[in-house]
Amino acid sequence: DGGITQSPKYLFRKEGQNVTLSCEQNLNHDAMYWYRQDPGQGLRLIYYSQIVNDFQKGDIAEGYSVSREKKESFPLTVTSAQKNPTAFYLCASSLQGYNEQFFGPGTRLTVL
Amino acid sequence: AQKITQTQPGMFVQEKEAVTLDCTYDTSDPSYGLFWYKQPSSGEMIFLIYQGSYDQQNATEGRYSLNFQKARKSANLVISASQLGDSAMYFCAMREIDFNKFYFGSGTKLNVKP
Repeated sequence: DGGITQSPKYLFRKEGQNVTLSCEQNLNHDAMYWYRQDPGQGLRLIYYSQIVNDFQKGDIAEGYSVSREKKESFPLTVTSAQKNPTAFYLCASSLQGYNEQFFGPGTRLTVL
Repeated sequence: AQKITQTQPGMFVQEKEAVTLDCTYDTSDPSYGLFWYKQPSSGEMIFLIYQGSYDQQNATEGRYSLNFQKARKSANLVISASQLGDSAMYFCAMREIDFNKFYFGSGTKLNVKP
């Protein structure tokens, strides 16, 4: 089955620790995206990548980092510089052009 | 300026009735796509319907239709014959082809009453 996987579904970390969220897709999509969602709010773009080894900052990139070494993978690291990292994180991918985004199931990160 | 505006934070609808969720957008790009997504309480984002800026007819997908008024820059979602399972957050989104970015609205929480 083609799709996007994110792991883990729930993640707990202590304050001050870096944590990496996994995102893998087997849809052969060029573009991948990371969003943050706070309770009752919309999606805010953190980073996006259109091709391997290239990525652009979104609206709230501070305190986050990404890499795109493979087409299938777009991991997100939440660093200790992120002031309020507790949130729901969604990864998405899409083809170029007019196509919709496909989303992974999300990771709920709680920083204690 | 907001790219996507959803002015209804929450709405109620009676089961089996139709409901319209509002969405307005802002772009100077002549080529763009408009999307609606459903997010149940589980958190997954489910794609519902798509409308291209050059499409002459309003998009329809089963019980979902998109009321596209280009001059008004609005792309309202119409759900016919509401079901209890339609209770969820609904997000309107736009893709500007030149920049390959998606913009999402703040969402509308729909509650379907039995």
